[in-house]
Amino acid sequence: GAGVSQTPSNKVTEKGKYVELRCDPISGHTALYWYRQSLGQGPEFLIYFQGTGAADDSGLPNDRFFAVRPEGSVSTLKIQRTERGDSAVYLCASSPSQGTYGELFFGEGSRLTVL
Amino acid sequence: GQQLNQSPQSMFIQEGEDVSMNCTSSSIFNTWLWYKQEPGEGPVLLIALYKAGELTSNGRLTAQFGITRKDSFLNISASIPSDVGIYFCAGQYIQGAQKLVFGQGTRLTINP
Repeated sequence: GAGVSQTPSNKVTEKGKYVELRCDPISGHTALYWYRQSLGQGPEFLIYFQGTGAADDSGLPNDRFFAVRPEGSVSTLKIQRTERGDSAVYLCASSPSQGTYGELFFGEGSRLTVL
Repeated sequence: GQQLNQSPQSMFIQEGEDVSMNCTSSSIFNTWLWYKQEPGEGPVLLIALYKAGELTSNGRLTAQFGITRKDSFLNISASIPSDVGIYFCAGQYIQGAQKLVFGQGTRLTINP
């Protein structure tokens, strides 16, 4: 499809397990973002990639969270030793360039539930 | 961290009514944006504002970037059932930074 694709759409895991969430941005979009949305809240910034490099990872809550984008396209958000508080919808977004501030195209999200 | 105060938190209106919601911040923002989110979907951009005082329309939607750069409003005229959803304001407050800060959202419900 033409939009941002995220997999899995739903993930249920147990406390302490490792989780990977994948994002496939819109073709040609150089900027990629991860946000986290808790129930009843707005999205919260996690990390921003420009190409292959993480240009801003100031939103990652702790060192259990890590994201990569090795070829400048698909990105994976990795969460180690999951905790119940990690339960949320993880949204990925992309944009065509740095110049279009804030004009993000979001995927449908990956809903993570940690039991 | 930086937060946006969005109000009202929820609105229950009749079809055909006009809607107004706003967002305020204690800090100056360089960019204000309004997004809409429907159940099971990601937010979709409605309007982007880049200059203080800017007033922009998108169909029945009108948004303004406050002249103090600390607030923005969104108006929807003649609401229709497909306007139902959660509306988020978002802002970029650090020059050159790409990250956005989002408000808590305004949930709009429309009675036909």
